[in-house]
Amino acid sequence: GESVGLHLPTLSVQEGDNSIINCAYSNSASDYFIWYKQESGKGPQFIIDIRSNMDKRQGQRVTVLLNKTVKHLSLQIAATQPGDSAVYFCAENSHSGAGSYQLTFGKGTKLSVIP
Amino acid sequence: EAGVTQFPSHSVIEKGQTVTLRCDPISGHDNLYWYRRVMGKEIKFLLHFVKESKQDESGMPNNRFLAERTGGTYSTLKVQPAELEDSGVYFCASSAHRATNEKLFFGSGTQLSVL
Repeated sequence: GESVGLHLPTLSVQEGDNSIINCAYSNSASDYFIWYKQESGKGPQFIIDIRSNMDKRQGQRVTVLLNKTVKHLSLQIAATQPGDSAVYFCAENSHSGAGSYQLTFGKGTKLSVIP
Repeated sequence: EAGVTQFPSHSVIEKGQTVTLRCDPISGHDNLYWYRRVMGKEIKFLLHFVKESKQDESGMPNNRFLAERTGGTYSTLKVQPAELEDSGVYFCASSAHRATNEKLFFGSGTQLSVL
């Protein structure tokens, strides 16, 4: 079936450096994507989203890039801080055909920030 | 404002026993979702309630799983009888509206261990 996946399971970065987390998706009909951050003992927390009619969206210290040609999504975190250490998931929001929307998640990338 | 709350946070049971998980969505959110993550796998959709009605239960793995949302407020997810492969983290999420770009708010999850 169609799926959303991640290239790297783990990523270690030095505090202050920029982080880039990648994600590939296979459903070309997807029109909405979300990045979630999950800290230990907590549920996924919304970071930033992007619709398919955009190729870039910026938030506070975070930027999401969407390349529909190669079905690739990335999350960039500027000036990475220790508090950014977490597992990051990309997710695709798609219509289920049952009048519902479902999130399809990637496996997740663990980001570790080295002080 | 209280977020999505789940109870219990952890549950350890033996194979063949019954477990009931509870989710209290954000007050006023009509949409309630159950997701789960089993070891080493992606977070997967289980089902979606709109108020007290099951809108989409295409992700429920088998008939050992029963979800209810009587009165359209809190929801329960019962596993009976539990099997080893049911171990994982069960997340609940809620949203105010049902739309492709609707943000989901997740609870912290219930860690279920079936021994």
